[in-house]
Amino acid sequence: GESVGLHLPTLSVQEGDNSIINCAYSNSASDYFIWYKQESGKGPQFIIDIRSNMDKRQGQRVTVLLNKTVKHLSLQIAATQPGDSAVYFCAERPVDSSYKLIFGSGTRLLVRP
Amino acid sequence: NAGVTQTPKFQVLKTGQSMTLQCAQDMNHNSMYWYRQDPGMGLRLIYYSASEGTTDKGEVPNGYNVSRLNKREFSLRLESAAPSQTSVYFCASSERGFGEKLFFGSGTQLSVL
Repeated sequence: GESVGLHLPTLSVQEGDNSIINCAYSNSASDYFIWYKQESGKGPQFIIDIRSNMDKRQGQRVTVLLNKTVKHLSLQIAATQPGDSAVYFCAERPVDSSYKLIFGSGTRLLVRP
Repeated sequence: NAGVTQTPKFQVLKTGQSMTLQCAQDMNHNSMYWYRQDPGMGLRLIYYSASEGTTDKGEVPNGYNVSRLNKREFSLRLESAAPSQTSVYFCASSERGFGEKLFFGSGTQLSVL
């Protein structure tokens, strides 16, 4: 099976609690950010995205916060469920990289029943 | 609606063998991408096609070639496989501006012995 994420940081949360997954990005010139969820053996699945002219964006049970001052991105998951267990990736799109996405290495979320 | 379809799902090659990974999307997306994913690392861009008829190198293009056969199909070829190319390969396509909201296939796990 897939061996991605052997040495990833792990966040363990109780079912029903809120989860916050953090991501530090590197390029102050990035204009777009995106979060993906990846379950074992599957491809990354789009969760939510945000442009640099926004600070916050909400989806269904998820919220993305962008702090450009400290180059920090976070994904908040409300009422975490067992199905949320996966690896979560953030990605940034620097405008000086021909608009190609640069992905972080990911955080593993484990939901305890 | 199948989304992004990759074939094969698994492949084992001997060093020096060649093969082509196939990718097709049925969402009428303009841009398509090939990424590789290695343990503990983020997705790295191999090649991309911003629109039908164009292809460009990404971050790690050495040892690979691509063909944008038509708007739907984007193939990745390994001419002479090396053990360093053992990885999980993902194809993706995007509906909006280049580098935004990529949709990924389920991946091809490739082992080169």
